[in-house]
Amino acid sequence: GAVVSQHPSRVICKSGTSVKIECRSLDFQATTMFWYRQFPKQSLMLMATSNEGSKATYEQGVEKDKFLINHASLTLSTLTVTSAHPEDSSFYICSARDAGTGVSPLHFGNGTRLTVT
Amino acid sequence: AQTVTQSQPEMSVQEAETVTLSCTYDTSESDYYLFWYKQPPSRQMILVIRQEAYKQQNATENRFSVNFQKAAKSFSLKISDSQLGDAAMYFCAYRSADAGNMLTFGGGTRLMVKP
Repeated sequence: GAVVSQHPSRVICKSGTSVKIECRSLDFQATTMFWYRQFPKQSLMLMATSNEGSKATYEQGVEKDKFLINHASLTLSTLTVTSAHPEDSSFYICSARDAGTGVSPLHFGNGTRLTVT
Repeated sequence: AQTVTQSQPEMSVQEAETVTLSCTYDTSESDYYLFWYKQPPSRQMILVIRQEAYKQQNATENRFSVNFQKAAKSFSLKISDSQLGDAAMYFCAYRSADAGNMLTFGGGTRLMVKP
């Protein structure tokens, strides 16, 4: 089945530094990828929609200058958390749809647990 | 905007018994898709079952089945012969048929399975 690889699975960084999270579709092309954020014991909240070759679409309340998204190829999207603060500590999950199929479900990465100290 | 509501924060079931998780949604669209995802402690999102809104027949996947009531905007998940491995968070999700393919998730239901 379709596989989405997300890296790193865990990262700890200091306040003020930047962290990059990668999301790769391993065996399919994904023109669109999605970035979600999940706080403990809560649901997944969509942060932004990443479109290959164009600017990402951010959900209301999500700072685009803080959460930089780059979708430079059909198999890779990156989320960079800039000038991280402790309140950015969360679980980040990417997902992608196989552009080559009809209405397929989204495939999820394994997530990245970010801890900002 | 669409909303998805799961009214049961937690549910408990005895091993081998049957449990039903509730989900309601609000939309003005007629064509859409509904999903149930399972999230075990590993946090991996696992697709359990999907339903196309244009299909009247309820989807079934082995021990998992849904009761899709389009007019009532209800989409419950029934787990039969519950197993210890079914213990997880379950999220109901909605996706429009024609816009962006983003998923809107419900708040989740934590299912505990008692041996």
